[in-house]
Amino acid sequence: SAVISQKPSRDICQRGTSLTIQCQVDSQVTMMFWYRQQPGQSLTLIATANQGSEATYESGFVIDKFPISRPNLTFSTLTVSNMSPEDSSIYLCSVVASEKLFFGSGTQLSVL
Amino acid sequence: AQSVTQLDSHVSVSEGTPVLLRCNYSSSYSPSLFWYVQHPNKGLQLLLKYTSAATLVKGINGFEAEFKKSETSFHLTKPSAHMSDAAEYFCVVSDPGRGSTLGRLYFGRGTQLTVWP
Repeated sequence: SAVISQKPSRDICQRGTSLTIQCQVDSQVTMMFWYRQQPGQSLTLIATANQGSEATYESGFVIDKFPISRPNLTFSTLTVSNMSPEDSSIYLCSVVASEKLFFGSGTQLSVL
Repeated sequence: AQSVTQLDSHVSVSEGTPVLLRCNYSSSYSPSLFWYVQHPNKGLQLLLKYTSAATLVKGINGFEAEFKKSETSFHLTKPSAHMSDAAEYFCVVSDPGRGSTLGRLYFGRGTQLTVWP
């Protein structure tokens, strides 16, 4: 199994600022996913972050807005840059470990 | 406390037979409920969602789920399984709480569906 510590659990930010979300995993994992769930919507995949390579972004998401770091097999960050109220969402990381999917607890972001 | 329980970690069915994946939840307010599927090495794919409209929700690939408030259940069904349905399925509850549009996500532990030829 894998236990994921995701921080912060929630934040309220001013528009134009940036927030970095961290996910720490208690075991080494190859694949890590970053998701967003906007109010009233379902989870949307932002990007897949594999260690040792550039993150792969889904359609509609770009690296300048959502830069991702994956310095090792147990840690990753997602930054939400130059935030606007439309970025108010839950952000979630998940990993594949032993062929099962595990999830962080999510970050509730409100942008004023 | 809010929680999501997927009652079976593994379900095996023969191709062409019905599928039932069970999910029970607890929630203080009016939750949104989702079923997602995950194929190996892929991200989550939304099958269907319930957001306080019709209690019987139809999703993609022939799946449907019924929201039963009295039983706090949201079981996923499909009349006839296909080999391509073999995957991991997650029941997810989004619980906004009072006066909030954002809320925590609560994930079930997943149900691995095996489909035999």
